[in-house]
Amino acid sequence: AQRVTQPEKLLSVFKGAPVELKCNYSYSGSPELFWYVQYSRQRLQLLLRHISRESIKGFTADLNKGETSFHLKKPFAQEEDSAMYYCALSDGNKLVFGAGTILRVKS
Amino acid sequence: DSGVTQTPKHLITATGQRVTLRCSPRSGDLSVYWYQQSLDQGLQFLIQYYNGEERAKGNILERFSAQQFPDLHSELNLSSLELGDSALYFCASSVEGQGNTEAFFGQGTRLTVV
Repeated sequence: AQRVTQPEKLLSVFKGAPVELKCNYSYSGSPELFWYVQYSRQRLQLLLRHISRESIKGFTADLNKGETSFHLKKPFAQEEDSAMYYCALSDGNKLVFGAGTILRVKS
Repeated sequence: DSGVTQTPKHLITATGQRVTLRCSPRSGDLSVYWYQQSLDQGLQFLIQYYNGEERAKGNILERFSAQQFPDLHSELNLSSLELGDSALYFCASSVEGQGNTEAFFGQGTRLTVV
């Protein structure tokens, strides 16, 4: 069965520090992976997907099939990055989400 | 605004009662997904409909049911409510039903069972 694991419930960093939000997945097929973000009091929205290989708001994520990981990275955190981040995997029908990681960027 | 509308925004009801949550997808989207978000469980997939038909089922309790109507709006029915059903219920929609296209989420319905 497909599973997405985000090991950290909370990640707290200082402004300007690098950020890495971890995501590991378990899936027998060829995965399609996504990162969704939920800012305070707002709806979930797509941040990026691995097939587009783009950088959004300075965030990037590389799919590592050997390590079955899709970690989200940003070299310099900003206060406005504070939010809940969800890693998600598509099994062809639906999105399966991880438990989410709260990112707190302190000034 | 994602274009996905959920009503009501908030709902408070007593144990044993039945409620209906409504979702209007983005114009043109054929697929609707329902998720439950609780503090200890994160985002749990409940059920998906595509163009009126059930496409995939997740950890949805037998007390819960859903449907998608010809105009593509969807309703999630929760019955015999228990305290543990208190959660945020999200609806999402996408153009296709394959999960690999972007899903657009509504604001959610916060259900409180007392």
